[in-house]
Amino acid sequence: DIQMTQSPSTLSASIGDRVTMTCRASQSFGNWLAWYQQKPGKAPKLLIYKASTLESGVPSRFSGSGSGTEFTLTISALQPDDFATYYCQQYKSYSRAFGQGTKVEI
Amino acid sequence: QVQLQESGPGLVKPSQTLSLTCTVSGASINSGDYYWSWIRQHPEKGLEWIGYIRNSGNTYFSPSFNSRVSMSLDTSENQFSLNLNSVTAADTALYFCATGALYKGFNYWGLGALVTVSS
Repeated sequence: DIQMTQSPSTLSASIGDRVTMTCRASQSFGNWLAWYQQKPGKAPKLLIYKASTLESGVPSRFSGSGSGTEFTLTISALQPDDFATYYCQQYKSYSRAFGQGTKVEI
Repeated sequence: QVQLQESGPGLVKPSQTLSLTCTVSGASINSGDYYWSWIRQHPEKGLEWIGYIRNSGNTYFSPSFNSRVSMSLDTSENQFSLNLNSVTAADTALYFCATGALYKGFNYWGLGALVTVSS
């Protein structure tokens, strides 16, 4: 199974900051990668799929890049609503494993 | 708009079977366009993918659960179900059902069902 590793586990930032987080895979799988945002007590929300395609309704300050084994999620200017935990997930193989998450905190 | 809702007992005794159902509206579980999935989350922890079932009834499970898990479809009720047997306190978690178009990952989620394993 493909293993997903996210870094950092926690990211401290301020409003307006540009933040970037990374997701690395144990083997290459093209660009079949999704990013999710989760707030406490809520279901995750799909932000990006196919590594770089923004889901409908997601603000354009979110962007994704990468392919193969290394992927990034960038928030261009952090907003108060963006403080949350972010997960990556590959969906090429039969498995649908998630990364362990990156928590964005103030 | 696809909507999902989990249902089932909130309390299960150790060694028994955890059973949850996900009721789907806005899409047919007979559709080949989706993977019908279960994910869980321990308190204050990350997302853990359990497995999925296709419209054909084919299933794939995480190796972490392979020997204890089964999933099924109820096409008459437009539902899919999770059974996890021989549960322990380590199975106490918030369980989500989720689905999405094959090229997208999971863009539809239920609200989650909290299951506690305790005697």
